[in-house]
Amino acid sequence: EVQLVESGGGLIQPGGSLRLSCAASGFTFSDYSMNWVRQAPGKGLQWISYIVSSSSTIYYGDSVKGRFTISRDNAKNSLYLQMNSLRAEDTAVYYCARARRIFGVDAFDIWGQGTMVTVSS
Amino acid sequence: EIVLTQSPGTLSLSPGERATLSCRASQSVSSSYLAWYQQKAGQAPRLLIYGASRRATGIPDRFSGSGSGTDFTLTISRLEPEDFAVYYCQQCGTSPWTFGQGTKVEIK
Repeated sequence: EVQLVESGGGLIQPGGSLRLSCAASGFTFSDYSMNWVRQAPGKGLQWISYIVSSSSTIYYGDSVKGRFTISRDNAKNSLYLQMNSLRAEDTAVYYCARARRIFGVDAFDIWGQGTMVTVSS
Repeated sequence: EIVLTQSPGTLSLSPGERATLSCRASQSVSSSYLAWYQQKAGQAPRLLIYGASRRATGIPDRFSGSGSGTDFTLTISRLEPEDFAVYYCQQCGTSPWTFGQGTKVEIK
């Protein structure tokens, strides 16, 4: 079964750091580009970061640029999001999502169940 | 950044009725890079449509997508009870990839 499982969320104080992980199974992880998408409570979806299969190309949304770092370990079938200088507005469910195509991105076809990050004192 | 505006915000319909959801982009989006997702409460989004009109694997044919340029539409021909959910459009043609704010399809 093709699956993505996020972990690492929790309650963190403003200014703190957290590292999210996403474990992939059921497909050749090293072939696919990956993304992180978040959803604040009661709000819509917001794409925040993208990494190609080789890690040679990385994009960030403006709201997290300079604070968050996406990375991956193809040997461990894992995707990561290092989040620093966290703010209250970063409170959200964080999803990892697979790009549908091996080359290029046209949609996200596999999503994890999400991990909740709460930034509060 | 390409802004996607979905309308209406909420659609109140009965099972068996037809649902028409709109997604308008602030600038032209290649049809190849327009997708639709369904999200039910407490669940992750599910890909329905990619390339503006292509159904994802396992998606029933009552779901269809159309449009080009700045105007795109998701149509559900006959609503089933499991179709009541929130629907999002997304563009992946220009970074940052962006989502619309969502349309909630609720039971009337």
